[in-house]
Parts: sequence; C-alpha cells; structure tokens
Amino acid sequence: DAGITQSPRHKVTETGTPVTLRCHQTENHRYMYWYRQDPGHGLRLIHYSYGVKDTDKGEVSDGYSVSRSKTEDFLLTLESATSSQTSVYFCAISESMGASPGGAQYFGPGTRLLVL
Amino acid sequence: KNQVEQSPQSLIILEGKNCTLQCNYTVSPFSNLRWYKQDTGRGPVSLTIMTFSENTKSNGRYTATLDADTKQSSLHITASQLSDSASYICVVSADKAGTASKLTFGTGTRLQVTL
Repeated sequence: DAGITQSPRHKVTETGTPVTLRCHQTENHRYMYWYRQDPGHGLRLIHYSYGVKDTDKGEVSDGYSVSRSKTEDFLLTLESATSSQTSVYFCAISESMGASPGGAQYFGPGTRLLVL
Repeated sequence: KNQVEQSPQSLIILEGKNCTLQCNYTVSPFSNLRWYKQDTGRGPVSLTIMTFSENTKSNGRYTATLDADTKQSSLHITASQLSDSASYICVVSADKAGTASKLTFGTGTRLQVTL
C-alpha cells in the first residue's frame, strides 16, 4: 500500500462521540486526501491537504474536520459521529495534484467505521 | 453535473476468458481518465492513467482505451485469472487548475473470475 497506514483499521462507536482517524505516510508526498466509500456511491472526497497546515474541503465535508501538522500525518475528525457517517474511509496520497495527469493517487488500506 | 457511469455493475467469467468493462462519462472539461483495481477489503490500486491524446494504454493483461469524442472508455482484461476478481473503478478528472476536488469516481464493476 505504498507506505500508507491507517489507524484504527476498524472502529465501532456511538452516536455523538468524537472520532479521530489517522493516516500516516512514509513517501513524503505533498498531497493527502480523505475519502469515504459507501455502497452505491463512488469514492467521495471529504477533505484534502496540499501541505502542512494547508487543507481544503471536498464535496462531503460537513461534519468532518482535518489537521495536518506534519508532512507524514493527516488526521480526520468526526466531531460528533452520526449513523450517516458509518462508512469505509480511505486515505490517499499523491506527489502532484490529484486531478492532474501526473497526480497518481496511492490509497491506504481503509478504516471501517460503524456508528451505532 | 459531472458523472461517471460504469457497466456492467457485476460480471462473472470463467478463468482464462477475456472481458471488457465500460465507462461513460460526462465530465467536462476533460483532463485524464484512470482505471483502478480494488480488491475486497483493500484500497484501490491504479492500473492506468490516460490523457486526452492517448487512446490506448496497457498494463500487463489490462488494456484501457479512451474515446474522448464519445466520452467512453473501456478496460479489457485478457486471459483472466482468479486474482483478477475485484472491483474495477473508472475515475475521470476535470481540467480545473488548483483543486483536487475534480476527480469523479464511478461506482465500479465487480468482476468475479471462477474455475
């Protein structure tokens, strides 16, 4: 998985509790992304980062926040988890901007989150 | 609205046979198109990336084609193997500078290769 780890790999939590997912890379890539994957939907971008402390929203950012204090770590926080946030979350990295021809993305193994 | 549609949704083939997966898109303006393979329980892995000027690209037994005029792409798998069982995701990038949020993902074709 191209030097990308995600933790935890599985999590069960209750509605209303905060949850933080961690993505760690050893590739020194500039760009990092958080996606969610749900049945019947393609991967959807939650937030992304284009450098340390530089982040921006994706198409499904409501209810999520992110932080990147180091090149290698990108954290996704659900401030108050809801059942609609039950999903599989993938982190991805790329050297170049993800949408550009050179922006091949490498995905982590995913975190399966269940919100009861 | 940018959209990527893949067909079929699922497919079962015998080992050793060939198959072709389809991707139609309405993303505009077009930048590039990618195919990913996603094994069950794992993250997607890139197979090919094609720009507007490329109409065929191969990666081993995988050959992707692109017709930018009709906005269609296909992924052809030759001499399928059991390890080809996975979901195949088509992703299209819009040519919009300065943002990573212009990748549109299809919902994938789930391929099962059987004995």
